[in-house]
Amino acid sequence: KAGVTQTPRYLIKTRGQQVTLSCSPISGHRSVSWYQQTPGQGLQFLFEYFSETQRNKGNFPGRFSGRQFSNSRSEMNVSTLELGDSALYLCASSWGAGQPDTGELFFGEGSRLTVL
Amino acid sequence: LAKTTQPISMDSYEGQEVNITCSHNNIATNDYITWYQQFPSQGPRFIIQGYKTKVTNEVASLFIPADRKSSTLSLPRVSLSDTAVYYCLVAYSGTYKYIFGTGTRLKVLA
Repeated sequence: KAGVTQTPRYLIKTRGQQVTLSCSPISGHRSVSWYQQTPGQGLQFLFEYFSETQRNKGNFPGRFSGRQFSNSRSEMNVSTLELGDSALYLCASSWGAGQPDTGELFFGEGSRLTVL
Repeated sequence: LAKTTQPISMDSYEGQEVNITCSHNNIATNDYITWYQQFPSQGPRFIIQGYKTKVTNEVASLFIPADRKSSTLSLPRVSLSDTAVYYCLVAYSGTYKYIFGTGTRLKVLA
């Protein structure tokens, strides 16, 4: 079956702009989580969604937001971009319910954002 | 939530066994530990998971001691293609908040 799909794969923005990234999970997966990856900070958890509800979030400013649609697809938005937002943004999907949360996540290839 | 740390880097030679440790202080008895492998410009890929003692699959073993303050990923007989960054992840039960370790860059030498 198809894996996790993230779009766009690459994008360049300038400071002050906003960006929206999209994630389509594996069919049947209802949980989507988002991560920011930078050389200095590693993989940092942004937020997790299940059935259109945010169940948890990491320590990021309010400029970072997300949502999930009824078909489990998810988007994240970053407003008022800063240079430090340049990173690889990864999303991951999992079943999300009905079994222990083992942390077995299926990742997409990521969206590489460059802020100039 | 506990801070999760790993050695920054490790070198090994082909055919050797590699052990990578993740320190996560105290975690609850039903919190899972999961390990991932990541190659450049790719998303992390699942390797193994467990929550107690020892788990083994076709590519790795995971050891979790009784005090659960650490866990160790063991890769038997590594090859050049195992050169990658390895991350541990603590899945804190019921929180749906996934905290990754700092990552270990493994370099396998011929």
